[in-house]
Amino acid sequence: EVQLVQSGAEVKKPGESLKISCKGSGYSFSTYWIGWVRQMPGKGLEWMGVIYPGDSDSTDSPSFQGQVTISADKSISTAYLQWSSLKASDTAMYYCARAPLTGDLYFDLWGRGTLVTVSS
Amino acid sequence: ETALTQSPGTLSLSPGERATLSCRASQSVSRSQLVWYQQKPGQAPRLLIYGASSRATGIPDRFSGSGSGTDFTLTISRLEPEDFAVYYCQQYGSSPTFGQGTKLEIK
Repeated sequence: EVQLVQSGAEVKKPGESLKISCKGSGYSFSTYWIGWVRQMPGKGLEWMGVIYPGDSDSTDSPSFQGQVTISADKSISTAYLQWSSLKASDTAMYYCARAPLTGDLYFDLWGRGTLVTVSS
Repeated sequence: ETALTQSPGTLSLSPGERATLSCRASQSVSRSQLVWYQQKPGQAPRLLIYGASSRATGIPDRFSGSGSGTDFTLTISRLEPEDFAVYYCQQYGSSPTFGQGTKLEIK
C-alpha cells in the first residue's frame, strides 16, 4: 500500500527542539518531492516547503524560511521537519504530503498529520 | 508570492443542489497550475482537481474544475451528504500558496 506514516503527537515547552518524521512506503521514495503543510487550530492550510529526497534539493515558503528545517534520509524513506527553538505559535497539525511524479508542487498523497502542542 | 482569495467563506446548501466555489488569484496562475482539495473534520486533505480541470484518481464526476488566469471555479453538480466539508484551492507556481478555504455546510 502506498502511504505516508507520520510520527506521533508531541507536547513540548517553548524553547525546546523537535524533529517530526514522515515515512513513505509502497513507492520509490527518492523520486517524488515530499512536503510539509501546517494547519493551526481552526485555521486553513499553509504550504511550508518541499524536499526531493533523491538529492535533497529543497524549496521553502518565504513565510517559513529560517523558522524550520526540512530534511530527508532516502536510505530509510523518511522526511523530517525540525525546529531548534519552539514557540507557542508553532502549535498546529503538521501534514506531510507527496507531490506527483511530474514534479508539480501540489500533493496527491497525504499523511494523517502530527499534532504539535507547545505550551509552558 | 501569489495570494489566493476564496469565496464565499461559507456556503449553505442542501443535498441535491449545485455548489459553485470561487478561487481568485492576485496574479495570473501560469499553465493553470491550480488544484482543489477537500478536507473533512479530523482528516487530512484529499486532492480533487489538478491542472485546474482534471479530476484526480477516484474522484466522482460530479466534481469539476474550470478557469484560467486569475479566476478558477470548483463546481459540485449535485451535492451528496458526504460533500459537506471545507474546500481549498492551491496554486503551484514558483512559490505555492493555499487559499483560505470555503466551508460548505448543510442548509
